[in-house]
This record gives sequence, C-alpha cells and structure tokens, in this order.
Amino acid sequence: GIQVEQSPPDLILQEGANSTLRCNFSDSVNNLQWFHQNPWGQLINLFYIPSGTKQNGRLSATTVATERYSLLYISSSQTTDSGVYFCGTAAGNKLTFGGGTRVLVKP
Amino acid sequence: KAGVTQTPRYLIKTRGQQVTLSCSPISGHRSVSWYQQTPGQGLQFLFEYFSETQRNKGNFPGRFSGRQFSNSRSEMNVSTLELGDSALYLCASSPDRGYEQYFGPGTRLTVT
Repeated sequence: GIQVEQSPPDLILQEGANSTLRCNFSDSVNNLQWFHQNPWGQLINLFYIPSGTKQNGRLSATTVATERYSLLYISSSQTTDSGVYFCGTAAGNKLTFGGGTRVLVKP
Repeated sequence: KAGVTQTPRYLIKTRGQQVTLSCSPISGHRSVSWYQQTPGQGLQFLFEYFSETQRNKGNFPGRFSGRQFSNSRSEMNVSTLELGDSALYLCASSPDRGYEQYFGPGTRLTVT
C-alpha cells in the first residue's frame, strides 16, 4: 500500500515565524488532503490539493504529484496554529495518513 | 450545512464488553469511512461504507464491524473489547470516491 511520511515530526516556532511542513508519498495519488487536529481530536480540513498550489489566508499548500510530495506553508505563525498537522492520501476512499507534524508556536 | 456528527463523544467500557458508535454524515454524502487513532499506531483506516455496502476494509480483526443505513448514517461495533481498543474513533464522509473527506469530532473510547 501507499506509504506516507511527514517531516519534521516536531516543530517549535516563535510567534510570527514562517515554516514549511513536508509530506512524501510512495506512489502516485489523485487525492491529497492536509488537516489540522484540534486539541479535542477533530481533524479540521485545511486543503484538498491533489496537485498545484492553493492558498487560504496565512496557509498555503503545494503538491507536486509527479515528484510525490506536498508542502504546507505557515506564514506569520500564531499561537492558535499550534497542534498536529496531518497529510493523507486516498486510494479509493481509504485515506493513508502520515505520522503528523506536531507544531508548537510560542508567544 | 451541518457537519459530520458522532455520538457518543466519550465512552468508558470494561474489557469483554461490546460498544456501538454512531456517525451521521453531511447531508447528501453517501460514503462514510471509519478510522482509529492511537498514540502507537497513528491514524488507521477501519472500513468504508457506500450505499449500505462495505466497499473497503482495513486490516482489523473481525471484532470490528460496521453497517450503514439507507439514510447514510453509519454505526460501527466492537465486540469483546480489549484494552488495546482504547482509542479515538473518527468517521469521515464524502459524496463518493475521489472527493474531499470531512471528519466528525470523534468518539474517545476508554477500555478498562
């Protein structure tokens, strides 16, 4: 099956800093999503981005499907950005997730 | 549109008991998938239902089962609970394959 790896596993940022999270996947995919898991456990949709680039406020994402990776950019980080970020790729509707990147933004 | 809802939100059960979790998808979504999240194994796919039929299944023992009703609501059942079944159970809905999936708030199950 598809393997998904995320890096770095942990990230500590000072408020206002920029960062890049990476998601590598082992096979070509036609579906990639980024999520932010809130403190109560719910996965909040950030991007549905099988290819190309999208932006939503201070967040943006780029997927290069031919090279099997996706990047999530956080600019001008805020304390509310803290949490765990997951990427997931789907075969059929089965999402395979990476191990997540735990982000801590310090004030 | 209302989001995906899951009930109950928290549950404490004893080893050997069984449990039923419920998921109501976003209106119009016919696919419901279930995932288990544990600190050791991360997020793992349990199964997917579409139009009342199981369409895909993950690598979990037969104690884990599910079903989907004609209104697309889904339930999952875990029989003969083990301590290792303690986890956050998440369900996700989408219109069909190839669409963005949306997750519910989860049910946190503790087995003692």
